[in-house]
Amino acid sequence: EVQLVESGGGLVKPGGSLRLSCAASGFTFRSYSINWVRQAPGKGLEWVSLISSSNRYIYYADSVKGRFTISRDIAKNSVYLQMNGLTGEDTAVYYCVRERIPWNYGSAGDHWGQGALVTVSS
Amino acid sequence: QSVLTQPPSVSGAPGQRVTISCTGSSSNIGAGYDVHWYQQIPGTAPKLLIYDNNSRPSGVPDRFSGSKSDTSASLAITGLQAEDEADYYCQSFDRSLSGSVFGGGTRLTVL
Repeated sequence: EVQLVESGGGLVKPGGSLRLSCAASGFTFRSYSINWVRQAPGKGLEWVSLISSSNRYIYYADSVKGRFTISRDIAKNSVYLQMNGLTGEDTAVYYCVRERIPWNYGSAGDHWGQGALVTVSS
Repeated sequence: QSVLTQPPSVSGAPGQRVTISCTGSSSNIGAGYDVHWYQQIPGTAPKLLIYDNNSRPSGVPDRFSGSKSDTSASLAITGLQAEDEADYYCQSFDRSLSGSVFGGGTRLTVL
């Protein structure tokens, strides 16, 4: 069974940093692209970042470019999102999402984690 | 302001048919990128409902269907049921932004 489990969320002050982790299991981790998607309270879904299966392609939304860094550890079957320079606009539930098609990117997200809440407040 | 435009809300009575539109542009849907649809029950993670414009994952009832034309796409739900009450999001890829884009979401109310 495919599972994605996010961790690392919490309360952080404006300007602070946080690192989210996404632990994957139940599939060949290295073969699939992983996305981070966030949802602010009461708002819609916003794509944040993508790391392709080969780590060759890494993309960010303009809203986080230069502040967030996505990475992957094949040995630990994990993807990370390092978030720096956090503001209130970054308050959201962050979902780790596996794409449907292996060795590709930009396909549908067929498995989602339960989400990790990040709250930026003084 | 979302890159893909959806109506904020739609409603229908049990048994009826509703459609949800998703309008994009020449840099996403119109560029030939596939459209995907997700269903989200409040308080839970989104679930893939339709992928690649009109394909259903295993377990999704055939009451749900998708279509795509030019710079827009649609999700149709027939035989509305109370359990269909949820938020629905469309998604595609945008070549100008080099990333995925979502619609703003549509709240479906079953009357």
